[in-house]
Amino acid sequence: NAGVTQTPKFQVLKTGQSMTLQCAQDMNHNSMYWYRQDPGMGLRLIYYSASEGTTDKGEVPNGYNVSRLNKREFSLRLESAAPSQTSVYFCASSEGVQVHGYTFGSGTRLTVV
Amino acid sequence: KQEVTQIPAALSVPEGENLVLNCSFTDSAIYNLQWFRQDPGKGLTSLLLIQSSQREQTSGRLNASLDKSSGRSTLYIAASQPGDSATYLCAVLKGSNYKLTFGKGTLLTVNP
Repeated sequence: NAGVTQTPKFQVLKTGQSMTLQCAQDMNHNSMYWYRQDPGMGLRLIYYSASEGTTDKGEVPNGYNVSRLNKREFSLRLESAAPSQTSVYFCASSEGVQVHGYTFGSGTRLTVV
Repeated sequence: KQEVTQIPAALSVPEGENLVLNCSFTDSAIYNLQWFRQDPGKGLTSLLLIQSSQREQTSGRLNASLDKSSGRSTLYIAASQPGDSATYLCAVLKGSNYKLTFGKGTLLTVNP
C-alpha cells in the first residue's frame, strides 16, 4: 500500500519558470492538502481540497494554483517560480480526519534560483 | 488564531533515558492532536493521535497525553534509543476545513 506518493522528489527551477508538483493517494480519501515547510516557520497550509471537485485557499496561497484532477490526484502548480518559493512541499490526505488524522507524502524539495 | 508551541526546541539525551516533549496550544476548542516524527530529509510519519474526548494514547514506548482545558500535550518516550533521533512535531486540528496547525518541532538527539 503506497499511501501518498509525490513526484518529483527534487527539483531546481530558474526564476520565472513554471512547474507542477504531483500528488496521488491510493487510500480512497476524500480530502487532500498541500503544505510547505520552511526553516523556522514550520508547516503552513497552501491549498486544500475537502472533496473531489472542490478546492480552497489555505494560509499561504499566493503564487500557487491547484487542481483536484480526480479523487486520487491533487496537483500544485507554480506559474512563475520565485526564490521565495524555495521550500519543501508536502501533500497529505485524510478521511474521517477527527478519528484517523492525516497521512503525509515524503515531500518534494524545490529550489528556485 | 491558533498557535502551537513546542518546548524545548532541541533536546540531547543519553541512550536509555526516559524523556518528555511538550506541546501547548492557545485555542482549546480542538478536534484532535496528532504527534508526528520527521527524519532528516524525509516526510512526516504519524505516531499518535488523541481525539478531543481522550486523555492519552499509547503505542509501544510512546505515550501521549492531552489536557485540552489547559491547552497542553506531552509525548513521553521510554527507554530512548539512538533510532529515536528525529524531529517531533505536534499538530492540532480545529475548524470546519480540517486544517492542521503545526508547532515548529523538537529536535531530539539520543546519544549512544
